[in-house]
Amino acid sequence: GQSLEQPSEVTAVEGAIVQINCTYQTSGFYGLSWYQQHDGGAPTFLSYNALDGLEETGRFSSFLSRSDSYGYLLLQELQMKDSASYFCAVGTGGGNKLTFGTGTQLKVEL
Amino acid sequence: EAQVTQNPRYLITVTGKKLTVTCSQNMNHEYMSWYRQDPGLGLRQIYYSMNVEVTDKGDVPEGYKVSRKEKRNFPLILESPSPNQTSLYFCASRSRAGGFLGTDTQYFGPGTRLTVL
Repeated sequence: GQSLEQPSEVTAVEGAIVQINCTYQTSGFYGLSWYQQHDGGAPTFLSYNALDGLEETGRFSSFLSRSDSYGYLLLQELQMKDSASYFCAVGTGGGNKLTFGTGTQLKVEL
Repeated sequence: EAQVTQNPRYLITVTGKKLTVTCSQNMNHEYMSWYRQDPGLGLRQIYYSMNVEVTDKGDVPEGYKVSRKEKRNFPLILESPSPNQTSLYFCASRSRAGGFLGTDTQYFGPGTRLTVL
């Protein structure tokens, strides 16, 4: 089966940069995705990497190294509204099966 | 407005009483999926569907059934619910099934909080 590891909690100050790491063990890898979820809300898609390297979307960037089975989400210019849980997820089964990590709770402080 | 809808949003039921949670999307998406979310366990995929009449098991399919008779609808059926199925359930869709190299957004519904007594 698939397994993913990410830190359970990260705390940072407003305006800072934070990196959330994700390591995975899987077979038939088809990409690493990142999702954000605020308390009481639904997950929202942030980013996706199928190939090695960095993908940038505004203040958010995501990196993948398939040889290291490792990826990270980078959040820049942190804002209070970024306080949420962040999940990494690997796609397998031709990209149709999705396995999520247990999530990282990010707390942004003043 | 492009969206995924689920009904009901909240449900309290008793062990063994069959129930269906509906999911509908208005984006003509090929791919739909069901997840459950439990504290400390993150999201776990129950079933997914790559198109009409094409479904497959996710990581935790036991105790659940699905069907995909129309492209827009993907109901989740619990034939005989048990207390360990008490959870927060999310339906999601994305435009294409299968592996891909580009970015493709998966849209989630608002969630259904189910309690089985």
